Amino acid sequence: DVKVTQSSRYLVKRTGEKVFLECVQDMDHENMFWYRQDPGLGLRLIYFSYDVKMKEKGDIPEGYSVSREKKERFSLILESASTNQTSMYLCASSTLDELHFGNGTRLTVT
Amino acid sequence: GESVGLHLPTLSVQEGDNSIINCAYSNSASDYFIWYKQESGKGPQFIIDIRSNMDKRQGQRVTVLLNKTVKHLSLQIAATQPGDSAVYFCAENYSGSARQLTFGSGTQLTVLP
Repeated sequence: DVKVTQSSRYLVKRTGEKVFLECVQDMDHENMFWYRQDPGLGLRLIYFSYDVKMKEKGDIPEGYSVSREKKERFSLILESASTNQTSMYLCASSTLDELHFGNGTRLTVT
Repeated sequence: GESVGLHLPTLSVQEGDNSIINCAYSNSASDYFIWYKQESGKGPQFIIDIRSNMDKRQGQRVTVLLNKTVKHLSLQIAATQPGDSAVYFCAENYSGSARQLTFGSGTQLTVLP
């Protein structure tokens, strides 16, 4: 089975902090994704990467950046956390159409 | 982008009954559809998919129906069990790439004893 592991289940950060969310997949997938999930809004794509050191903006990239130095690891960075970034963050990986998700990181920014 | 919506935000069914969860999509160019299940505290899990050249696909206790004429997708769960309680949401894809998946907001299914 594909395993996508997000390093933290819960995080509480202060406004203005730099925040790193880490994600690792073990199936050698080319594509990796970061989504945020908010009630009533569904999953919204922040960034995705289709290869090492390659990245593309998703639908809501503002306030975020990403890093993919190794194929198995995809990091989401909040440069200066704000309260409107309080959300559930989901990492996923895929080869073709099917996405495999991690269990999410619930981030609270106070 | 195009949006994917669900007719009902919540659905309660008796254990053992069949469940039907609906999804409307608006992009007639979408050619691939997926249903996900998300249990509390977990990430979404793939349930079943269907391509636009099919109108029905069956899995274990689940069936997905696609009606392209009215742009409607449904997930049927047979003999619903307590473990089926979760949020279910559909996703559509119109580019052949996971990049272009558009997700609905979800339906909360509750199985009553």
